[in-house]
Amino acid sequence: GAVVSQHPSWVICKSGTSVKIECRSLDFQATTMFWYRQFPKQSLMLMATSNEGSKATYEQGVEKDKFLINHASLTLSTLTVTSAHPEDSSFYICSAREDSEGYTFGSGTRLTVV
Amino acid sequence: GENVEQHPSTLSVQEGDSAVIKCTYSDSASNYFPWYKQELGKRPQLIIDIRSNVGEKKDQRIAVTLNKTAKHFSLHITETQPEDSAVYFCAASKGAGSYQLTFGKGTKLSVIP
Repeated sequence: GAVVSQHPSWVICKSGTSVKIECRSLDFQATTMFWYRQFPKQSLMLMATSNEGSKATYEQGVEKDKFLINHASLTLSTLTVTSAHPEDSSFYICSAREDSEGYTFGSGTRLTVV
Repeated sequence: GENVEQHPSTLSVQEGDSAVIKCTYSDSASNYFPWYKQELGKRPQLIIDIRSNVGEKKDQRIAVTLNKTAKHFSLHITETQPEDSAVYFCAASKGAGSYQLTFGKGTKLSVIP
């Protein structure tokens, strides 16, 4: 089946630094990738939708300058959390969609900002 | 936009009993309804899905039913086992445009041995 590889699986960074999270579709071309954020014991909240070669569409309330999304190829999307602060600590998950198939999730990244 | 309501938020059942989780959606244009199982700190795993042209789908101990008129769909797990314990999320998608999934808030299922 379809596989999405997400890295890193966890990261601890200092407040004010930036962190990049990568998602790669390993055996299919992901025309659309989604980035979610999940707080403990809560649901997945969609942050943004990215289509290869175009700008990401951000959900209401998500700061596009803080959460930079790049989808430069059909197999790679990145999320960069810029100037991270403790309140950005969360579980970030990507999801990729192949045209005719369902949604495949990455393994998630646990971000802790200290 | 789409709004998905999920109930109950927690559910405890004895091993061997059945578990039912219900979801409602608001957008009649939604046509794809997956269910995910998520264990702590791990990715959501698709366990079953249903499209709007089907009323029921079954896969061994798991079944999903869809009522398009009422805009609700349900997950049924029979003969529950301790390893079924996890958080379950329903979701809905229009399957058009951005194809984004809207998730319910999740149900924490505990199966008591």
